[in-house]
Amino acid sequence: AQSVSQHNHHVILSEAASLELGCNYSYGGTVNLFWYVQYPGQHLQLLLKYFSGDPLVKGIKGFEAEFIKSKFSFNLRKPSVQWSDTAEYFCAVTSNTGFQKLVFGTGTRLLVSP
Amino acid sequence: DAMVIQNPRYQVTQFGKPVTLSCSQTLNHNVMYWYQQKSSQAPKLLFHYYDKDFNNEADTPDNFQSRRPNTSFCFLDIRSPGLGDAAMYLCATTVYKGYNEQFFGPGTRLTVL
Repeated sequence: AQSVSQHNHHVILSEAASLELGCNYSYGGTVNLFWYVQYPGQHLQLLLKYFSGDPLVKGIKGFEAEFIKSKFSFNLRKPSVQWSDTAEYFCAVTSNTGFQKLVFGTGTRLLVSP
Repeated sequence: DAMVIQNPRYQVTQFGKPVTLSCSQTLNHNVMYWYQQKSSQAPKLLFHYYDKDFNNEADTPDNFQSRRPNTSFCFLDIRSPGLGDAAMYLCATTVYKGYNEQFFGPGTRLTVL
């Protein structure tokens, strides 16, 4: 069965600091990878996704993620965070077949202090 | 704007009193999902519909049922809510064709007294 691990449960950064959130998945086949963000009191929104092609994916709000197949990883990065990036971040994976059953990681709660 | 709508946003019910949560979508997507998200946890898939075909996750309790009367609407019925069912319930939709994201509604926060 697929599983997703997010190693950082809570991250606290100052504004302008760089961010990297780890995500590893376990699945032997072809996968689709996602990062979703949940701002306080809001619904899950897609930050970025990887299906195929260039392993470096750029998303909204200056986020990017790199798919490293050999490491089963899809880490999220942002060079300079803002206070408005305070949110919970979920990595998720689906297999490349079937009904795209999303398997989520446990999430990383990011707090950016001004 | 095309979107996923959930009603109500907040629902309070009593222990054992049936409750129904509603989801509607204007995206005309053929797949709809229900997730349960407990505090500080990842969303957990309960079941999904592909058109009218219902697919239950193996570990979804029998207490949870769902209906999809048409493409636009999907309901989550909790027959006898327990305290452990207090959670955020998320509806999501997608188009079944290989490479697509899921679009989430704002969720319904269920409180069980």
